[in-house]
Amino acid sequence: GAGVSQSPSNKVTEKGKDVELRCDPISGHTALYWYRQSLGQGLEFLIYFQGNSAPDKSGLPSDRFSAERTGGSVSTLTIQRTQQEDSAVYLCASSVSGGTYEQYFGPGTRLTVT
Amino acid sequence: QKEVEQNSGPLSVPEGAIASLNCTYSDRGSQSFFWYRQYSGKSPELIMFIYSNGDKEDGRFTAQLNKASQYVSLLIRDSQPSDSATYLCAVNSGGYQKVTFGTGTKLQVIP
Repeated sequence: GAGVSQSPSNKVTEKGKDVELRCDPISGHTALYWYRQSLGQGLEFLIYFQGNSAPDKSGLPSDRFSAERTGGSVSTLTIQRTQQEDSAVYLCASSVSGGTYEQYFGPGTRLTVT
Repeated sequence: QKEVEQNSGPLSVPEGAIASLNCTYSDRGSQSFFWYRQYSGKSPELIMFIYSNGDKEDGRFTAQLNKASQYVSLLIRDSQPSDSATYLCAVNSGGYQKVTFGTGTKLQVIP
C-alpha cells in the first residue's frame, strides 16, 4: 500500500516568509509525528497527534511553529517568519495505535531559508 | 543524561564480518525497541523491532534485548557495503506512542 507522503520535497524560501509543509499518513494510522533533522544531526521531535486527542506540542522550538491535523488524516506544519536556523529536513511519520508503536517515515521536506 | 544513547561511530567493519551496534536507554519502564536504518539523504527506514528479552532474528539482522541491563543491540551478519548507513535506536516507554530516538551510529562496511 501507499506509504507516508510529504510535499513539497524541497522548499526554498526567503527569510521572513511563511511556509507550509504537508504530510499524508498511511491510511488507517491514527498517530502522526513531525520531526526535524538538521544536517548531520539526529531527529528532533516537534509534535505528535493521536486521533482526536490534544496534540503533544512539547517539541515545537518556538511559537513561530504550529501544526494541525484535519479530519484525523492530513497534517500541515506551518513555520511563520522563517529564519535561517529553520533550514533542515522536516520528516513526518505515522503509526497505528494499539500497542506496537513502530513509526513509518515519509521522504521528508528539505527546507532551505535564504 | 540522554534517554537513548548510541556511540556515534563511525563503526568500520570489513565486508562479510558481523557488525554489532549498541544502544542503552534510561527509562526502566520502556517496553518497545526499534532499529531504523537511514541512508545519507534519505528518511529513516524501520528494519527491526523487539519487545521481549532475548533475540529476534530477521534474515541477516538480529536484535537483542536485555531489559535488566537496559541494553538493546543490533547484529548484522555477513555485512555488505550496502549496509553502510546510520542506524538509529528508538525506544517507547509504553502507554503512550511517543518514541525517543538515539542520535545514531554510522556504520561503514569496507569492501
